Amino acid sequence: RKEVEQDPGPFNVPEGATVAFNCTYSNSASQSFFWYRQDCRKEPKLLMSVYSSGNEDGRFTAQLNRASQYISLLIRDSKLSDSATYLCVVRGIKAAGNKLTFGGGTRVLVKP
Amino acid sequence: EAQVTQNPRYLITVTGKKLTVTCSQNMNHEYMSWYRQDPGLGLRQIYYSMNVEVTDKGDVPEGYKVSRKEKRNFPLILESPSPNQTSLYFCASRRTSGSQQSYEQYFGPGTRLTVT
Repeated sequence: RKEVEQDPGPFNVPEGATVAFNCTYSNSASQSFFWYRQDCRKEPKLLMSVYSSGNEDGRFTAQLNRASQYISLLIRDSKLSDSATYLCVVRGIKAAGNKLTFGGGTRVLVKP
Repeated sequence: EAQVTQNPRYLITVTGKKLTVTCSQNMNHEYMSWYRQDPGLGLRQIYYSMNVEVTDKGDVPEGYKVSRKEKRNFPLILESPSPNQTSLYFCASRRTSGSQQSYEQYFGPGTRLTVT
């Protein structure tokens, strides 16, 4: 089983619609969680951290469910510019060097 | 401007010809890392460094070398490249402690390597 798993998609989303997708992680000792965004052939960039209580940044909402070991990302009112691959990232424990493990990414295509 | 730079951005080479991809960061980060990204396999860590003169293998270190003589630089060396090392390579840096936000990892723009 992969440490961090994501549905690769693509999720084809009409402009203005809401899309949500999850990421599961296997290590219950994982310390913190992030969503990164990667545009085609570009470097990944931090989209948002994921906090235990859930957090929102504009049209983006991230949730963490430690009991079921998954995090989610919801995008409201999708824009064409939201088309990208979204990478789930999990930070391990300090003893393991706080290693960041990346999921394979979920591709989102927003269409007019 | 806080950034990670990599050079070259594109490289086509032949099997067995030694090459070095440079990486430099200006954020005084302790931690630096190299990844390769391949279709269907995601980002895989090659090597990482927790600080100067401290390097360690990641998940796919075979065929690669690194060094960390200075805090800002972390070159990736392919002593004898082979076609299976054709990939998109990213260098990254971050801090090693602090609040959750401090674990944000900054990536370089990527180096697309083709080995024929």
